[in-house]
This record gives sequence, structure tokens and C-alpha cells, in this order.
Amino acid sequence: NAGVTQTPKFRVLKTGQSMTLLCAQDMNHEYMYWYRQDPGMGLRLIHYSVGEGTTAKGEVPDGYNVSRLKKQNFLLGLESAAPSQTSVYFCASIRRENTEAFFGQGTRLTVV
Amino acid sequence: AQSVTQLDSHVSVSEGTPVLLRCNYSSSYSPSLFWYVQHPNKGLQLLLKYTSAATLVKGINGFEAEFKKSETSFHLTKPSAHMSDAAEYFCVVRDLRGTYKYIFGTGTRLKVLA
Repeated sequence: NAGVTQTPKFRVLKTGQSMTLLCAQDMNHEYMYWYRQDPGMGLRLIHYSVGEGTTAKGEVPDGYNVSRLKKQNFLLGLESAAPSQTSVYFCASIRRENTEAFFGQGTRLTVV
Repeated sequence: AQSVTQLDSHVSVSEGTPVLLRCNYSSSYSPSLFWYVQHPNKGLQLLLKYTSAATLVKGINGFEAEFKKSETSFHLTKPSAHMSDAAEYFCVVRDLRGTYKYIFGTGTRLKVLA
């Protein structure tokens, strides 16, 4: 039982390059979330999904896109990376409304 | 809209003394509330959760928190700090209805002095 798996774990991008981060969960959870963590700012919600085929904007969605074509996968895309997107990215999933989130181990992204 | 305020960005305590990490929340509906801990360069671990049952919630490693609706607070406490408690702690709120967002506070870094 892998839980929540993020791919890749580390990545260095050049400004303007694109990439996709993959979040996969094997717990049949309905809700999935993407966050970025920056020093002193906690985890800020980028986008989230309440079910297969649905997505919604969080607190800091600009510069990112997401897709949830399959229930178990939630993809986060950066179309044109900027140094301000250097961060640690966490994915999470939740089974239903009043349960806790399960987190991936994070992706450390550096944009140079 | 829901939000979380962690009142202290840094807290220092001596080993063996009590810990108090403060959290206030705002929520349009009945919230679920959580505390997570993150050790340096590690992932997030759930300490405890409140989901509209008992207002005093006990978690792992001797931590507990009390939900006070009248004060919109969910402070985290521990009677006696241990060196291994040094970490960053996050308070999280989630509406049980509404947007389904899972919102983090900005975190409190706990330092434990020998």
C-alpha cells in the first residue's frame, strides 16, 4: 500500500521550461490537493479537486494548471517556469469530508 | 471563507516544561481542525484531529488540543517538552460543507532548549 506518491522528488528547471508533477494515490480518495511550501508561509493551496474530472483554484493558482483525468492521479503543470516557482510541492488526498489528509513526501523544485 | 491564524511564528521552551502553540480559526460552517508536525527536511505527520466529537482531543506523543467554539481557538498543548519535539507545527482547518478546501496556517517553529 503505497499511499500518496509524488514524482519526481527533485528537479531543476531553467526559466521558461515546462514540466508536470504527478501525484498518485492508491486509496480511492475523492479529494486531492496541490500545495507549495515556502519558508515562513506554511503550505499554500495551489489547486484542488473534489472528484475525477473536476478541478478548482486555491489560494495561489497563477502559473499552474492541473488535471484529474483519473481518480487516482492529480497532475500539476508548469507551462513556463519562473524562479518564483522555486519551492517544495506537496500533494495530498482525503477520503471524505471529515477525515485527515494523507501527504506525499514532496517534490523539491528549483528554477534557475 | 475559512482561514487559520497561528499566533506565534517561533516558540522556545526548556526541556521538561509545558508547550502551548496557539491557533485561531475562521470558518463559515462547522469545521474540522487538525494539527500536523514537520521535522526538518521531512514530510507531514498528523498529530491529532477534531471532527465535531469530543472537544478535548488527544493525539500522538503526548500532545492534545481543545476546541473552543466561543473563542474560535484550537490550541495545541503538551505537559512536558522533549528534545525530539523540536519541529514546525501547522494548524489546519477544513469546512465540513462548502468549498472542501484544506487550509494551513503559516506554522509555528518550536525550539526545545536543553
